[in-house]
Amino acid sequence: DGGITQSPKYLFRKEGQNVTLSCEQNLNHDAMYWYRQDPGQGLRLIYYSQIVNDFQKGDIAEGYSVSREKKESFPLTVTSAQKNPTAFYLCASSINHGTYGYTFGSGTRLTVV
Amino acid sequence: QKEVEQNSGPLSVPEGAIASLNCTYSDRGSQSFFWYRQYSGKSPELIMFIYSNGDKEDGRFTAQLNKASQYVSLLIRDSQPSDSATYLCAVNNNAGGTSYGKLTFGQGTILTVHP
Repeated sequence: DGGITQSPKYLFRKEGQNVTLSCEQNLNHDAMYWYRQDPGQGLRLIYYSQIVNDFQKGDIAEGYSVSREKKESFPLTVTSAQKNPTAFYLCASSINHGTYGYTFGSGTRLTVV
Repeated sequence: QKEVEQNSGPLSVPEGAIASLNCTYSDRGSQSFFWYRQYSGKSPELIMFIYSNGDKEDGRFTAQLNKASQYVSLLIRDSQPSDSATYLCAVNNNAGGTSYGKLTFGQGTILTVHP
């Protein structure tokens, strides 16, 4: 079955540590996105990529980094510069620049310990 | 002003009633509109999309779009307890420019359907 796989489902980060969230899709979608969700704040865009080897900052990119070396993969690194990383992270993909909406992965819940 | 704003919740309706969820958006160039349902602890799932003014029906769900008023709504008829979730409105300006291809989401409305 086609879909988006995010891993891990739960992730714990120590202060000052970088962590990487994985996102893989087999839908042959060109565009991929990372969103952060905090309680009561909806989804906020971190980074997005419309083609391989190209990506753009979203609304809250500070403290995050991404790469898009393969069409299928769009990993997100939460760096130590992100001071409040505890949140639910959602990866999504789309065809035709989101005209038909996004397909979401199951999410990664990141907690600072 | 928020780009996409949903009616504040939570919204509570009895089983069998009609639930009405509303959303306004600020970008007049917006062309695609989506409703996602998100159960607690889960990721959003697409339940309706609409591109043209008017109504679009799918089973118990009806999406309504009024571009002149920059307003989109979702009606859920014969509400069931299983409809209890957060509903997210999303808007896509896919006419070009810096917003091209990005969905902007509202903050969500929590719906509770009680037996």
